[in-house]
Amino acid sequence: EAGVAQSPRYKIIEKRQSVAFWCNPISGHATLYWYQQILGQGPKLLIQFQNNGVVDDSQLPKDRFSAERLKGVDSTLKIQPAKLEDSAVYLCASSFEGNQPQHFGDGTRLSIL
Amino acid sequence: QKEVEQDPGPLSVPEGAIVSLNCTYSNSAFQYFMWYRQYSRKGPELLMYTYSSGNKEDGRFTAQVDKSSKYISLFIRDSQPSDSATYLCAMSEWSGNTGKLIFGQGTTLQVKP
Repeated sequence: EAGVAQSPRYKIIEKRQSVAFWCNPISGHATLYWYQQILGQGPKLLIQFQNNGVVDDSQLPKDRFSAERLKGVDSTLKIQPAKLEDSAVYLCASSFEGNQPQHFGDGTRLSIL
Repeated sequence: QKEVEQDPGPLSVPEGAIVSLNCTYSNSAFQYFMWYRQYSRKGPELLMYTYSSGNKEDGRFTAQVDKSSKYISLFIRDSQPSDSATYLCAMSEWSGNTGKLIFGQGTTLQVKP
């Protein structure tokens, strides 16, 4: 079974620029999550999708972050404009349903200059 | 006060030692408890998944949950250098379809040959 795929693996941008991350979940998994992991901390949930609907985006900074999951499979997370404090690893996870164990991709490491 | 507290370590042990990793939490509504292992520059990998209180064993790994004390543990027997990684505890209320995981900050473990 193929795991959660994420791209790119690394991204370096300057502050105020925009950036986008892509995630392809495990086949058949209806639930998709985006987490932010700052160095030395555990991941923090940004947004949860069930199929192509948003279940929880309470911790998503909506003035600069947006996410979509069109067609209920792949997902894209965007930051515009980026701030220095957005430097982190952005992890995508998926689960069969919302109450099942989550499996993570290897993340996109974002550095803001 | 953080919802989930985890000693960041680092923890250094000789090969073959028994390792004990712990987390405490404050939210009595947490029902599902997980341990993830995260190697450098990789995503978290699910190790153990338990529901409510009790013990669960899988090979060299044993997870314990004590809901009365709001305390969970992961024991690693016969530790190997390949166990060197950051261990993250995570927990969730899992009410309805909301699967938000709350993570500890992770404990870095080094097993020396």
